[in-house]
Amino acid sequence: DTGVSQNPRHKITKRGQNVTFRCDPISEHNRLYWYRQTLGQGPEFLTYFQNEAQLEKSRLLSDRFSAERPKGSFSTLEIQRTEQGDSAMYLCASSTSSGNQPQHFGDGTRLSIL
Amino acid sequence: QKEVEQNSGPLSVPEGAIASLNCTYSDRGSQSFFWYRQYSGKSPELIMFIYSNGDKEDGRFTAQLNKASQYVSLLIRDSQPSDSATYLCAVNGATNKLIFGTGTLLAVQP
Repeated sequence: DTGVSQNPRHKITKRGQNVTFRCDPISEHNRLYWYRQTLGQGPEFLTYFQNEAQLEKSRLLSDRFSAERPKGSFSTLEIQRTEQGDSAMYLCASSTSSGNQPQHFGDGTRLSIL
Repeated sequence: QKEVEQNSGPLSVPEGAIASLNCTYSDRGSQSFFWYRQYSGKSPELIMFIYSNGDKEDGRFTAQLNKASQYVSLLIRDSQPSDSATYLCAVNGATNKLIFGTGTLLAVQP
């Protein structure tokens, strides 16, 4: 069990650029979640996958955000035309699908928009 | 009303004392309850989860759940300076997403 892996750890980019983050879940976990956390707040849910199916999306996930999990393993989160307000920590978590099993988080990707 | 509420703190306790962290939630359909610890600049780390009314103990940690009062708490016995962190309460209802409180900052004074 190597834990949830996220890359990159840090991303600095200019406003208007596109960015993509990757998440590799714990290998036996078929559920994968994305959250966003800003300073002083708890993580906010963005979206989640069971295997390759995207089952829920938050209203926070504007049309500039897209997430994929094409083979039911790793996932990517893309933000197009980044804005200052997108600066945050983007967290990925995974769990098994047995009931409401605990979610385990990766180290996160910290995004800074210049 | 926020869905999950926590006192932001800071909660300051002396080393060796019991730290008591509290959380209330608004959705009576909530089924699972989690406590995460988050050090500054790091990601949340799961420390306890509880599904049924009552107490659940794991080492120095005890989670308490009262669904009638929509209240969940975390007790940390023999607090250590290394316990100083933000403690996040999270609730999982009919959907699988976690809803977090804003966290309580705990400071354990040596």
